[in-house]
Amino acid sequence: GAGVSQSPRYKVAKRGQDVALRCDPISGHVSLFWYQQALGQGPEFLTYFQNEAQLDKSGLPSDRFFAERPEGSVSTLKIQRTQQEDSAVYLCASSRTGTRGETQYFGPGTRLLVL
Amino acid sequence: AQKVTQAQTEISVVEKEDVTLDCVYETRDTTYYLFWYKQPPSGELVFLIRRNSFDEQNEISGRYSWNFQKSTSSFNFTITASQVVDSAVYFCALSVRSKLSFGAGTTVTVRA
Repeated sequence: GAGVSQSPRYKVAKRGQDVALRCDPISGHVSLFWYQQALGQGPEFLTYFQNEAQLDKSGLPSDRFFAERPEGSVSTLKIQRTQQEDSAVYLCASSRTGTRGETQYFGPGTRLLVL
Repeated sequence: AQKVTQAQTEISVVEKEDVTLDCVYETRDTTYYLFWYKQPPSGELVFLIRRNSFDEQNEISGRYSWNFQKSTSSFNFTITASQVVDSAVYFCALSVRSKLSFGAGTTVTVRA
């Protein structure tokens, strides 16, 4: 079946602009995760949903970052007033039931460049 | 807090050589899960293997094998008879609840 998809794949924004990144999880997957990967580093956790409930947003770096999953399927990560330090790859992952320690399957990522 | 350390930044080998990637983790939880992911140049993280903290049995899956030792908090990964297509960044990750904590990654280059 189809994997996790993300759009856009690439986004260039001017400093101060708002951006919205979309994630389509694997069909039927209950849990959805967002990670941020800076150049040359491992992914860092941002936030986690189980269905439409946002259960953990401890990794969001500032109140400029906001994520939602209103119908428990597609999710959007929004970054307001982008800064240069927001430049990174944003990865989305989903897992089937959200059980502790379950395997997460990743999408191709959105590469964000803030000028 | 959870922490994953991958001390090797880069490894370069010639095709058909074996490659062993080191991973050391830290957690106070007694139940946890360990993963290896591969990130080829295309950028997508590809799941390779998963182990839980109660299963120290080491296994082989095709050209992949792993060595999980709780006594040293290590979860090493070996690619046997490497191929050019194995060139990628490999990440070790730890999960205690739901989120993954990743190491910094090891870049593997396999030369023909």
